[in-house]
Amino acid sequence: EPEVTQTPSHQVTQMGQEVILRCVPISNHLYFYWYRQILGQKVEFLVSFYNNEISEKSEIFDDQFSVERPDGSNFTLKIRSTKLEDSAMYFCASNQGAGELFFGEGSRLTVL
Amino acid sequence: AQSVAQPEDQVNVAEGNPLTVKCTYSVSGNPYLFWYVQYPNRGLQFLLKYITGDNLVKGSYGFEAEFNKSQTSFHLKKPSALVSDSALYFCAVRPNSGNTPLVFGKGTRLSVIA
Repeated sequence: EPEVTQTPSHQVTQMGQEVILRCVPISNHLYFYWYRQILGQKVEFLVSFYNNEISEKSEIFDDQFSVERPDGSNFTLKIRSTKLEDSAMYFCASNQGAGELFFGEGSRLTVL
Repeated sequence: AQSVAQPEDQVNVAEGNPLTVKCTYSVSGNPYLFWYVQYPNRGLQFLLKYITGDNLVKGSYGFEAEFNKSQTSFHLKKPSALVSDSALYFCAVRPNSGNTPLVFGKGTRLSVIA
């Protein structure tokens, strides 16, 4: 069964460093998303991406964040200068449009 | 803007007993409603959805949910709980037009006791 894959599973970084989280969505999906979850709490929407551009973003997704689909396969989330409060589980998801999202296993980011 | 309320942080139930995890929603227009489950240190796993049609929706692992438009609710149910059902459950909603992102509730931790 096709699945969304995410790397790395865990990244530890120093405050102020840049981080790139990578995702490979399901191959025939058209919409891509990043969500984050802090300490097993609420799952918060960050950004959605369709047709090589951002379609929606939340207030969390400020200028420190960016997304890219560099090669038609990977979908990346970059945090330019990490802050302590960026520590969270980041989930990538994809779907074909309407209907359920398919989530990856997540990338745990720890900012020290 | 859409929102989801899961009024219970924790639900405890004995194995073999029926379980209910509550969810109410607010959305403009008609909703698409979803339940997801999250096991420790794992991603969100899709359980079931309501898009249109029959108000009673059946999903994975014996779970079902009933869409109640008048009460704006979509409670998750299972007739007989298993210890392995212990996990974090999330309700989510989006309007049925456009591709507005899913909005999740805060989650309900289900604990099934043997």
